[in-house]
Amino acid sequence: EPEVTQTPSHQVTQMGQEVILRCVPISNHLYFYWYRQILGQKVEFLVSFYNNEISEKSEIFDDQFSVERPDGSNFTLKIRSTKLEDSAMYFCASSGGALYGYTFGSGTRLTVV
Amino acid sequence: GENVEQHPSTLSVQEGDSAVIKCTYSDSASNYFPWYKQELGKRPQLIIDIRSNVGEKKDQRIAVTLNKTAKHFSLHITETQPEDSAVYFCAASKAGTYKYIFGTGTRLKVLA
Repeated sequence: EPEVTQTPSHQVTQMGQEVILRCVPISNHLYFYWYRQILGQKVEFLVSFYNNEISEKSEIFDDQFSVERPDGSNFTLKIRSTKLEDSAMYFCASSGGALYGYTFGSGTRLTVV
Repeated sequence: GENVEQHPSTLSVQEGDSAVIKCTYSDSASNYFPWYKQELGKRPQLIIDIRSNVGEKKDQRIAVTLNKTAKHFSLHITETQPEDSAVYFCAASKAGTYKYIFGTGTRLKVLA
C-alpha cells in the first residue's frame, strides 16, 4: 500500500531556530496538506497545496510558516523562527482529489526548547 | 466559524459490545465526512467516510450514519475487539475548500 513518508520522525530545536520538515507524498496524488496536533488535542489544519501553490491556509499558518515543493516528489514545511508553542506533531497528508480521504504520514514530532 | 463537536471524549466498552461516537457540524455546506482512527503515537488512518448524498455506509463491523437536517453524523462499531482501542476523530469538509475540520477525538477503550 502506498505511503506518505515524513522525515525526521523527531526533531528538537532551540527557540528562534529555523526548521524544515520533509514529506514525500504518494506519487500520483495531487493535493498536499500539513496538519499539526498538539499533544492530546485534535488535529488542526495548517495549509493545503495544489498545482504548485497554496490553495488554502489557516490562521495558524502565519508569516513564520512556508511550504514548498522543490522537486517532483518532496513537499516541505518551513518554520522560520520557532516558538515554544510550535511544539507539536506535524502530519503531512496527500490525496488524489479535493474531497477524497487523505493518507497521512507518520508525523514529525517537533520539540522546541 | 466552522466547528465540529464530538462526543463522548472517552468511551469504555466490553469486548463484543457496540460503540457509538457522535459528531455535530456547524457548516450546512459540509458534504464529506471521514472518520480516522489513531493508535497511540501513530498516524491517523482513514477507516470510513460518507458523502452527503447518502445516509448510511457500512464496511464490515463499522458503519457511519449521516443526518443532514440535524447536521449529525455517527460512527458505529459492532462486536468491538481490543484492537479497536484507539482515538477516533471525525471530520467535515465541503466542496470549494481543501481542509478538514476535525472533531476533538474520542478515546475508545475496549475491555477484554
